[in-house]
Amino acid sequence: GQNIDQPTEMTATEGAIVQINCTYQTSGFNGLFWYQQHAGEAPTFLSYNVLDGLEEKGRFSSFLSRSKGYSYLLLKELQMKDSASYLCAVRDQYNQGGKLIFGQGTELSVKP
Amino acid sequence: EAGVVQSPRYKIIEKKQPVAFWCNPISGHNTLYWYLQNLGQGPELLIRYENEEAVDDSQLPKDRFSAERLKGVDSTLKIQPAELGDSAVYLCASSLGTGVYTGELFFGEGSRLTVL
Repeated sequence: GQNIDQPTEMTATEGAIVQINCTYQTSGFNGLFWYQQHAGEAPTFLSYNVLDGLEEKGRFSSFLSRSKGYSYLLLKELQMKDSASYLCAVRDQYNQGGKLIFGQGTELSVKP
Repeated sequence: EAGVVQSPRYKIIEKKQPVAFWCNPISGHNTLYWYLQNLGQGPELLIRYENEEAVDDSQLPKDRFSAERLKGVDSTLKIQPAELGDSAVYLCASSLGTGVYTGELFFGEGSRLTVL
């Protein structure tokens, strides 16, 4: 079967660092995505990992370990506007047009 | 560049009524997706198109849901008749689909359906 697990909710303080974990079991693997979704809005792309290691993009970094079926999204210098749902998604086919399978999302609340 | 456009943004109907959602993808994106998102959950794929062809509709409830993508551009998703459990946000997304790139999906703002 296919399964993507991430915590339902997390709380962090403005200015701090938070790590959101994601574990997956899928029939195939061709990339892992992180999306941000503010309430009532469309998911927006944050990061993409297809090889093991860390990808850094400003305050956001994403890590992948394919052997462990594990990824995390690291958010630094948290701001109030980072309060949102963070969706982990795996592309399960060996072509760029493969569908994304999403986790349930992690609702992050950033408090002053 | 215009993003993915969906309409209507909100729709309230009574059960057993029909409803249709429309999506205009980003220009040049040949892959189009319809996802369903329930409150507090991640999006779930309903159907994926490569140009005009539905290449993955395994999770589309075909007894009441239908979709089409005429001319490989705009798409419509229809529910007839709607049931209470269909209340959700219907997200449309598009991607380039081929080539050496991440293949990220670009989402529209969604159509929020409430069935009474």
